Amino acid sequence: GENVEQHPSTLSVQEGDSAVIKCTYSDSASNYFPWYKQELGKRPQLIIDIRSNVGEKKDQRIAVTLNKTAKHFSLHITETQPEDSAVYFCAASSTGGYQKVTFGIGTKLQVIP
Amino acid sequence: GAGVSQSPSNKVTEKGKDVELRCDPISGHTALYWYRQSLGQGLEFLIYFQGNSAPDKSGLPSDRFSAERTGGSVSTLTIQRTQQEDSAVYLCASRSPKNIQYFGAGTRLSVL
Repeated sequence: GENVEQHPSTLSVQEGDSAVIKCTYSDSASNYFPWYKQELGKRPQLIIDIRSNVGEKKDQRIAVTLNKTAKHFSLHITETQPEDSAVYFCAASSTGGYQKVTFGIGTKLQVIP
Repeated sequence: GAGVSQSPSNKVTEKGKDVELRCDPISGHTALYWYRQSLGQGLEFLIYFQGNSAPDKSGLPSDRFSAERTGGSVSTLTIQRTQQEDSAVYLCASRSPKNIQYFGAGTRLSVL
């Protein structure tokens, strides 16, 4: 089955700096890669996703890149703000037939004011 | 419309008792997932329902755990003879036709 590895497990950055979280996956059949943000005590919520037919997607201060050959994808947050502090999960799944979603272990991001 | 609804939001039970956790997915979502999240940990996959297909139960940690989904909508996760290590937040998610998972607020289970 699919295996998703995520690192770092914790990340502290100064407000205004950039943060990068990296994930690798094992199943070449995976073609959908969402990122979820979970604030303390709240449910995970989708912040951005990317499908295998594109290499990069951007939404304001967040962007995701995908390298299918190397089977890795990354989340980039620029100009970090205190409200970006949360746990971020990457995930991988396929979009056809069997669609189990495999999550990474999560990265706890702390933005220091 | 309404999002994914889970009940109860909190459940305190005694070791050895059975508990039932309920999930109401978003209407029209055919796929439903259950996850377990221990304090400060990641999302542990438990079980996945897709339409009328047989569920993927590969994540259930023991035979004390079971789940069903009646009528392709509401799902119930049952834990029999609860143990202290079962204490966690149990999250349900349903998936849209565009593959986006929407999570419920979870049920926080405490086994004393």
